[in-house]
Amino acid sequence: DVKVTQSSRYLVKRTGEKVFLECVQDMDHENMFWYRQDPGLGLRLIYFSYDVKMKEKGDIPEGYSVSREKKERFSLILESASTNQTSMYLCASSLYGQITEAFFGQGTRLTVV
Amino acid sequence: AQSVTQPDIHITVSEGASLELRCNYSYGATPYLFWYVQSPGQGLQLLLKYFSGDTLVQGIKGFEAEFKRSQSSFNLRKPSVHWSDAAEYFCAVGAGGTSYGKLTFGQGTILTVHP
Repeated sequence: DVKVTQSSRYLVKRTGEKVFLECVQDMDHENMFWYRQDPGLGLRLIYFSYDVKMKEKGDIPEGYSVSREKKERFSLILESASTNQTSMYLCASSLYGQITEAFFGQGTRLTVV
Repeated sequence: AQSVTQPDIHITVSEGASLELRCNYSYGATPYLFWYVQSPGQGLQLLLKYFSGDTLVQGIKGFEAEFKRSQSSFNLRKPSVHWSDAAEYFCAVGAGGTSYGKLTFGQGTILTVHP
């Protein structure tokens, strides 16, 4: 089974802190994604990556950056956390070059106080 | 750009009743369509997908969905709901080509099941 693992289930951070959310997948997938989930808004794409060191902005990249130094690991970075970034963050991965389903991690619920 | 609309934010059904969750999409070419389910505090699990071929697709847990191109819809159905089906359901559309597998999700439908 594909496994996508997010390093934390719950995080509480202070406003202005730099926050790292880590995601690791074990199926050698090329594509990796970070989504943000808010009630009534569904999932919105923040950033995605289709190869090591490659990244593309999604629909809501403002206030976020990403890093992909190794194929299996995709990090989401909040440069200076703000209260409006309190949300559920979901990481996903999929195979490159074909449409197939994305596999999701368990999510990280981030609270910024 | 593609988009997905799930018109029902919250649906309540009795256990044993039939279920239909609506999904409408907007996309210029042949869409790739998915239904995911999210139990409380969990990630998303794929229920079923449509890429091509038979427009009625079967998924896990007794769910099925029908692709109707003329109506731009991909509604999810289950003939008899179980209490364990209570969850949030998301419809998603993906694009081919250089989209790198990006999915666009609907707003989600929360399903409550009464005993």
